[in-house]
Amino acid sequence: AQTVTQSQPEMSVQEAETVTLSCTYDTSENNYYLFWYKQPPSRQMILVIRQEAYKQQNATENRFSVNFQKAAKSFSLKISDSQLGDTAMYFCAFMKRGGAQKLVFGQGTRLTINP
Amino acid sequence: SQTIHQWPATLVQPVGSPLSLECTVEGTSNPNLYWYRQAAGRGLQLLFYSVGIGQISSEVPQNLSASRPQDRQFILSSKKLLLSDSGFYLCAWGVGGGEQYFGPGTRLTVT
Repeated sequence: AQTVTQSQPEMSVQEAETVTLSCTYDTSENNYYLFWYKQPPSRQMILVIRQEAYKQQNATENRFSVNFQKAAKSFSLKISDSQLGDTAMYFCAFMKRGGAQKLVFGQGTRLTINP
Repeated sequence: SQTIHQWPATLVQPVGSPLSLECTVEGTSNPNLYWYRQAAGRGLQLLFYSVGIGQISSEVPQNLSASRPQDRQFILSSKKLLLSDSGFYLCAWGVGGGEQYFGPGTRLTVT
């Protein structure tokens, strides 16, 4: 079974700073996806970024980028020029490719952006 | 574009009462559908998923059940709620590309 671990329960940075959220996972699979989801106070889960395991290039979406280290089973999220609206819970998630495509979530990191 | 609806948004039910939460998806056909539960301050736990009408797979043994009577409708039910059923319930849909998209959720409090 796959597991996802987020070792930082809470983080806090000043607006405009860069912050990196950590995630490690454990799997014996070779074909999979990794995701970061954001859950603001409204509790709506919002997809931030997706990485396909067979792609060596790190995914980027505007101010959000990942550092995917497949051998180390590490998948960190970097938020550049952080904004107050980035305040949220962030969840790392794993999905085995194919089949029912079930998500396995980490426990989350609560990120606060201070003005 | 695709949208996903869940209702009700908030529900307070006594122990032992029945439950029915509904999820519908618009703008896509034959999606995979998922029910997740989130305990306070925790990650999401997959409860049920469905790859087609009438096809339900359970991930966690519990007193909840799910049904998919139509292609884009997914229902979470219970005959008798327990205190431990309290939580935030999220429905999601996905297609072959891997991403899952979530509904706004239902906050259930069992008293």
